[in-house]
Amino acid sequence: QQPVQSPQAVILREGEDAVINCSSSKALYSVHWYRQKHGEAPVFLMILLKGGEQKGHEKISASFNEKKQQSSLYLTASQLSYSGTYFCGTGGVNTGNQFYFGTGTSLTVIP
Amino acid sequence: DVKVTQSSRYLVKRTGEKVFLECVQDMDHENMFWYRQDPGLGLRLIYFSYDVKMKEKGDIPEGYSVSREKKERFSLILESASTNQTSMYLCASSLPQAAHEQYFGPGTRLTVT
Repeated sequence: QQPVQSPQAVILREGEDAVINCSSSKALYSVHWYRQKHGEAPVFLMILLKGGEQKGHEKISASFNEKKQQSSLYLTASQLSYSGTYFCGTGGVNTGNQFYFGTGTSLTVIP
Repeated sequence: DVKVTQSSRYLVKRTGEKVFLECVQDMDHENMFWYRQDPGLGLRLIYFSYDVKMKEKGDIPEGYSVSREKKERFSLILESASTNQTSMYLCASSLPQAAHEQYFGPGTRLTVT
């Protein structure tokens, strides 16, 4: 049930945009996104609960296509502080209270 | 601020040793989780607990056990450590009404030689 993320890694220059995709072979009832900076604990960014929902967090936003069992994280005008590994995840009541995280996408923003 | 602390940042143990990883949270969260993080595999759930003395198996419970005697403390036990248990171990906690919003500890990097 582990979601699959793509790309595995991406390198950006400051100001460029990036998209991170998350897909699942099983039904997705909700999708949450975390960011883990190097050497630090993962930090919750946002959750999307409904198909079609879009959310924003500073210049980081996400969409959720329930029918396609996919979610995408959009990083616009990237900053150095955006560097880290991004994880999508799913879980809760609809998965027997289990939580599943994706394989992670390493994002590096360079000056 | 929620604080989740783990007993050690780095730990080196020998094969066959019994290993205890401790996690303490100070926000009165009912839910607590143990994950392991490996390159290319992301975070995988080992065990979780939604209440004191309660435990549920996650995706990869084999070779591990847990203990939750107090609400704020959740321990992960490796009964007989093996080299394939070398990994980063992350503890997390959350409220039941927002179980997905998990607060993670800094992690324990365990090396089994």
